[in-house]
Formats: sequence, structure tokens, C-alpha cells
Amino acid sequence: SQQGEEDPQALSIQEGENATMNCSYKTSINNLQWYRQNSGRGLVHLILIRSNEREKHSGRLRVTLDTSKKSSSLLITASRAADTASYFCATDAGGADGLTFGKGTHLIIQP
Amino acid sequence: DGGITQSPKYLFRKEGQNVTLSCEQNLNHDAMYWYRQDPGQGLRLIYYSQIVNDFQKGDIAEGYSVSREKKESFPLTVTSAQKNPTAFYLCAVSTGGDTEAFFGQGTRLTVV
Repeated sequence: SQQGEEDPQALSIQEGENATMNCSYKTSINNLQWYRQNSGRGLVHLILIRSNEREKHSGRLRVTLDTSKKSSSLLITASRAADTASYFCATDAGGADGLTFGKGTHLIIQP
Repeated sequence: DGGITQSPKYLFRKEGQNVTLSCEQNLNHDAMYWYRQDPGQGLRLIYYSQIVNDFQKGDIAEGYSVSREKKESFPLTVTSAQKNPTAFYLCAVSTGGDTEAFFGQGTRLTVV
């Protein structure tokens, strides 16, 4: 079953602008992770935020987590054409079956 | 990527055939996973393994089989019982704990 649900499904912005993607989930989690997928490729891990954390930064990425609302957001600042990709949130509930993925947000950065 | 090798990159299957997708890792991680991705969709778990000689069904295991005879290898067989096998298949590995997963580059399977 798919736990996370990203919003919006697709997002198109101009280069240099900030991009914000949201993820909602249903059950308790140990951590939430964001991944990027370029077309036809595997997923690349971006950032992991644990359930006791509220905000985390990595370069131009900023992730927030609100466990009371069961939601997370990924902010990419000063976007670049190379950021064009699909972005997925994945939740880890601590089970042996690993991560549960949402359907992703397809981000297009217009040059 | 970077220590996880999936092969082949593209695979074509005739109706009624079994095909096997390879996943090899040199990261020495215990946990390995197979996911299926359909166009515009997220990843759905097919099978996973936490240790050699042990594996468990995921959400969509019907029509698939796996083995885990070595820590480095977790091949996936798509059997003729899988009626709609055309998809992108991704293998992932992790330490099994509270950490990230590492993905291979995927195999695109098409039924011809």
C-alpha cells in the first residue's frame, strides 16, 4: 500500500525560483526520506528526517516534518535546470519491509 | 547506483516466458528489495530480503519469485503467471536500519 502522497503531482517553475513539494502520510513513522529520480534512472537519496526532528537542511534543500499533521515538505531554493526530475517521499515505519513510497512530484525547471 | 548493478537495462519478454532480472551489490548491506514502477506512479514493493536464505513477499508478489543464496545477489524472476509485467523494475539495498536505501539503475521490461 502506498503511504505517502505528494502534492502537487506536477510543478513547472522558472530557473532561479524556489520549488516546494509536499508529502502527506497515514501512519506513524520512524523517519521520512526524499528521493530524486531522473527520467529512466534509479532513485537517488536526498535527505532523511527522523520523527523527532522538525527541520533539516542540505545545501539548497530544506525539509520540514510535522508529525502531528503527518506531513512533510521539500523546498529546493534557487532552482536550476538540472533539478528537473521526479521527487518522491518515502516513509520508514520501522518494519522489515523498508520504505513505502508516494507517487511523486514531477518538477520541471524552465531555463 | 555506485555499488548496485542491475542487468540487463532493457529486457523483452514474449508471452508465456519466464525472465530473470539480476541485482548485484558490493556494499555489503544485508537488506535487499525489489520494486516495480509503472508510468507516472510510485514504487510498489514486490519482495524483500533481510538476510541470506530468507525473503518475504511485498505488496505485489503474485507472479514473481526471488532467491537469496548469496548476500551480494537478489535475482527476480518474472514468471508467466504475471499477466501485466511491462514495467520498470528497481532493486534497492540498505543496512536494514534507520538509514537510506541505495538504488540500482533499473531494468525496463517489455512484453512483446
